[in-house]
Amino acid sequence: QVRLKESGPRLVQPSQTLSVTCTVSGFSVTSYHVSWVRQPPGKGLEWVGAIWKGGSTDYNSALKSRLSISRDTSKNQVFLKMNSLQTDDTGTYYCAKHRGSRYYFDYWGQGVMVTVSS
Amino acid sequence: DIQMTQSPASLSASLGETVTIECRASEDIYNGLAWYQQKPGKSPQLLIYNANSLHTGVPSRFSGSGSGTQYSLKINSLQSEDVASYFCQQYYDYPWTFGGGTKLELK
Repeated sequence: QVRLKESGPRLVQPSQTLSVTCTVSGFSVTSYHVSWVRQPPGKGLEWVGAIWKGGSTDYNSALKSRLSISRDTSKNQVFLKMNSLQTDDTGTYYCAKHRGSRYYFDYWGQGVMVTVSS
Repeated sequence: DIQMTQSPASLSASLGETVTIECRASEDIYNGLAWYQQKPGKSPQLLIYNANSLHTGVPSRFSGSGSGTQYSLKINSLQSEDVASYFCQQYYDYPWTFGGGTKLELK
């Protein structure tokens, strides 16, 4: 059974760094691409970045300078780090599995709601 | 970036009714389009990919169509469990972008 589960802090102070972990089961991160997608409260979805099954990454150019996505294949985990957080980074952060080698998502985690506030 | 414009932003319909949601891309996306359903407090779920292919397990009352810059999601015979927000996503070009969403409610 495919599952993804995000974990991380619920509250982050402005200018600090967000670190979120996506722990997957039912598939290997070396066999499928994984993306991060975020959603501000009551708003739409924004693709943040992806880590390909081979280990390389791609980032949304709007966020690239603040982003790092990595993984631990031995633990089947994917990590998101975003620095210099501002209040408009508040939202739910999801990790999502790509369907095959496609660029859309067939399984999503439950998401972690992150509030950026002092 | 390719802009995805969804309409309407909200929609109220009756049980059994047919509903259509539109998504317009700022340039041709060559059928590189997916539709997702997101119920309140839940994560998005894939409905349609490649503009018109139904994802496994999705009821056949959902269908997708379109080409070029104009795409639509149709829900036939609306059920109470279809109350949700719906988002389109283009994956033709980076960065992959989503529409603003359509919130579907029961009348």
